[in-house]
Amino acid sequence: DSGVTQTPKHLITATGQRVTLRCSPRSGDLSVYWYQQSLDQGLQFLIQYYNGEERAKGNILERFSAQQFPDLHSELNLSSLELGDSALYFCASSPRGGQGTGELFFGEGSRLTVL
Amino acid sequence: AQKVTQAQTEISVVEKEDVTLDCVYETRDTTYYLFWYKQPPSGELVFLIRRNSFDEQNEISGRYSWNFQKSTSSFNFTITASQVVDSAVYFCALVTGANSKLTFGKGITLSVRP
Repeated sequence: DSGVTQTPKHLITATGQRVTLRCSPRSGDLSVYWYQQSLDQGLQFLIQYYNGEERAKGNILERFSAQQFPDLHSELNLSSLELGDSALYFCASSPRGGQGTGELFFGEGSRLTVL
Repeated sequence: AQKVTQAQTEISVVEKEDVTLDCVYETRDTTYYLFWYKQPPSGELVFLIRRNSFDEQNEISGRYSWNFQKSTSSFNFTITASQVVDSAVYFCALVTGANSKLTFGKGITLSVRP
């Protein structure tokens, strides 16, 4: 158990809809990262927050947004969903701000299926 | 730009065989970090090792060992006396600098048969 909690574990929705994925980092970790894992793109970094502020941005679509709240949990919002958004979305956390400074602790992922 | 290549996509071995998973990386930065993560069938990503670019010492942890060679830009992972529980997808990853994104390879699916 990494200590990172993601909900929901599975989600099935239709094209055009909007969903919110939630992540609670390990106790004390200030950084939260979101990754998308799909068959064709592999594991792709989406976005990072550090202590409530956006720290780094990756291949995140404009239809997607995220935020980190004062209690350090984070939400990833996916809107106007398309079939290609079907993927496993991982949240990870780390104590510090840089992805190179140490290991990331990953949650079990939220599997999104868009029909 | 940074890139990680895991040329092997699937490897199947019989229990107790040794197996090496290859990882080749590309970066122009002199400071970078390399990682291996394991993704078992349950789906979560488990950290295995982190190595910085200034430390070329090989590392051994139980049945796992890692061979870092800057001359060939490789960071290979060997499992000795493989076990069924080693069956998983293994990802090599690279990050340059302290704040850059973590770039993953495509992963290698390892199947260990009893």
